[in-house]
Amino acid sequence: GNSVTQMEGPVTLSEEAFLTINCTYTATGYPSLFWYVQYPGEGLQLLLKATKADDKGSNKGFEATYRKETTSFHLEKGSVQVSDSAVYFCALRMSSGNTPLVFGKGTRLSVIA
Amino acid sequence: DTGVSQDPRHKITKRGQNVTFRCDPISEHNRLYWYRQTLGQGPEFLTYFQNEAQLEKSRLLSDRFSAERPKGSFSTLEIQRTEQGDSAMYLCATSWDGTGAEAFFGQGTRLTVV
Repeated sequence: GNSVTQMEGPVTLSEEAFLTINCTYTATGYPSLFWYVQYPGEGLQLLLKATKADDKGSNKGFEATYRKETTSFHLEKGSVQVSDSAVYFCALRMSSGNTPLVFGKGTRLSVIA
Repeated sequence: DTGVSQDPRHKITKRGQNVTFRCDPISEHNRLYWYRQTLGQGPEFLTYFQNEAQLEKSRLLSDRFSAERPKGSFSTLEIQRTEQGDSAMYLCATSWDGTGAEAFFGQGTRLTVV
């Protein structure tokens, strides 16, 4: 079946550090890929997405590139802020048919001043 | 209508009782999903509606669980004879059709079975 694997957390970084959260997927076809973020006490929000190979999704300084050859969608940010502290979820959805999002387990990020 | 609304936000119930949760979607969205999230895990898919039709159910959805979406508007998720293992956050999400359509999530209903 389709699945998503994320790096284990928690990740603790100092403000202005570089962030990478690894995400790889297994899928039988060509999925769309997503990163969702969950801030403390809030619901899941879409952070960025990519719908085909080599697409780059970006938002709020975060970026992720859809790499079909390595089945990866790693999340990066050049300079994290305390306000980026949250749980980040990588997810996929198959492009054909009516299918639900499949999520990874999430990676908790803590940014300290 | 600014987003997906779930009610209640928190529910504490005794083992064996029935509970019902409600989800009000973004009005233009025809797809509605229910997920369950336990501590330290990502959301796990439970079931999915397109308009009023329930198109898919996860094997996680035992026969104690039932979901409805009358007239393709709001949805309810009922759990009968609750067990302690049902304690989790129940999330509702809605979306448009279409490749790459993002899902918008509600804030969830946290269920605690004591």
